[in-house]
Amino acid sequence: EVQLVESGGGLVQPGGSLRLSCGGSGFAFSTYWMHWVRQAPGKGLVWVSRISGDGITTDYADSVKGRFTISRDNAKNTLYLQMNSLRAEDTAVYYCARPGPSNSGYENYFDFWGQGTLVTVSS
Amino acid sequence: DIQMTQSPSSLSASVGDRVTITCRASQGIRNDLGWYQQKPGKAPKRLIYAASTLQSGVPSRFSGSGSGTEFSLTISSLQPEDFATYYCLQYNRYSSPTFGGGTKVEIK
Repeated sequence: EVQLVESGGGLVQPGGSLRLSCGGSGFAFSTYWMHWVRQAPGKGLVWVSRISGDGITTDYADSVKGRFTISRDNAKNTLYLQMNSLRAEDTAVYYCARPGPSNSGYENYFDFWGQGTLVTVSS
Repeated sequence: DIQMTQSPSSLSASVGDRVTITCRASQGIRNDLGWYQQKPGKAPKRLIYAASTLQSGVPSRFSGSGSGTEFSLTISSLQPEDFATYYCLQYNRYSSPTFGGGTKVEIK
């Protein structure tokens, strides 16, 4: 059974930093692209970032480019999101999501989601 | 980036009603379009991929159609458990993925 479990959310002051983690199990973690998606309170889903299975290729939404860094440790089956220079508008539930297999055409289609972790940016 | 325009943003309907939600892509995405259902406090649940293919276990009252830039999700006979928010997602592999703004389906 595929499972994704996020952790690391919490309350942080504007300008602060936070690192989110997402542990994956039940699948060959290193062979899949992985994504972060966020949802501000009462708002819609917004894609944040993605990383290739080997960790070499990354991509970011314009709203977080230069402030957030996605990475992974395939030995630990763990995905990360380092968030720096946090702003009030970054307040959201952050989900990690696993797409379809690499080279399938479904690398951006989210098959499985974690339960989410809440990040609140406030003074 | 490809923009997804979803409509309506909300609708009120009764049990048994037929409901249709649409998504329009800012450029052609072939059939690289999925639909998700989300209930409060929960992660989204996949319903449809490739514009019209139902995920395993999804009731047959859900259907999807479209190709290129115009897509729709139809619920043929709304059930109590279908009251939720629905999102489209374009997942063209040559672009960053983007969601529609969501449609909240409420009880009339």
